[in-house]
Amino acid sequence: EDQVTQSPEALRLQEGESSSLNCSYTVSGLRGLFWYRQDPGKGPEFLFTLYSAGEEKEKERLKATLTKKESFLHITAPKPEDSATYLCAATYQAGTALIFGKGTTLSVSS
Amino acid sequence: GAVVSQHPSWVICKSGTSVKIECRSLDFQATTMFWYRQFPKQSLMLMATSNEGSKATYEQGVEKDKFLINHASLTLSTLTVTSAHPEDSSFYICSATGLAGRAYEQYFGPGTRLTVT
Repeated sequence: EDQVTQSPEALRLQEGESSSLNCSYTVSGLRGLFWYRQDPGKGPEFLFTLYSAGEEKEKERLKATLTKKESFLHITAPKPEDSATYLCAATYQAGTALIFGKGTTLSVSS
Repeated sequence: GAVVSQHPSWVICKSGTSVKIECRSLDFQATTMFWYRQFPKQSLMLMATSNEGSKATYEQGVEKDKFLINHASLTLSTLTVTSAHPEDSSFYICSATGLAGRAYEQYFGPGTRLTVT
C-alpha cells in the first residue's frame, strides 16, 4: 500500500535552533515528492517539489532533500514566523490525488 | 503563477439548506481539481476528484448526492453541500493541477469554513 509517514508529529524549537523534519514514503513509481506549509485556518502553501533521489531545493531558511526512501525538510536558524504545520505528499501519476502524511507541527519560540 | 481561489472564505447556513463553494484557478487551466475536507488538527481528507467536463470520482464513504461537484470549465469547480447538517461543518479545501510544465504539482485554495447551525 502506498504510504507517506512524517515524524515527529510535533516539534518545538528555540529561535535559531536548526532541525530537520522527516518524511518516509513507500510509493510505487514515485513521480514527485512535495512539501507544503499550512497555517491554521488556511489552505496548504506549496513549498517544494522533488523528482529524483539526490535532488535538493532551497528557499530562505528551508532546504528539502530526497533519497530513495525518505525526504528531509531542514530548517536552518528558524524564526517564530516559521511556526506552522508542514505537510509531505507524494504522487505516482499526474492528475491523481496526492498521498499525504499527517504532518509535523512546528513551534518556534523566541 | 499557480493561484487558486475559493469563495466564500467562510459561510454559516441553517440545517437543511444547501450551500455552494466555488474553486477557481486564476492563472492556469486546471485539468483536474480535487476537493478535501479537514477537521481540526487532522490532515486533509480527499473527498473527490473532478476533471473538466466529466463526472467527479468520489472517495469511498463520501455521499455523492450530498456533496455535488461540478467542473464545468478549466478554471472553475463547485462543491454544493445539499441539505446540510451540523456534522457537515468543516474546513473545505480545493486544489488544482494542470500548470504547464508542472503536471505533478497541485496548488491549493485558501479554504472555506462551513458552519451549519
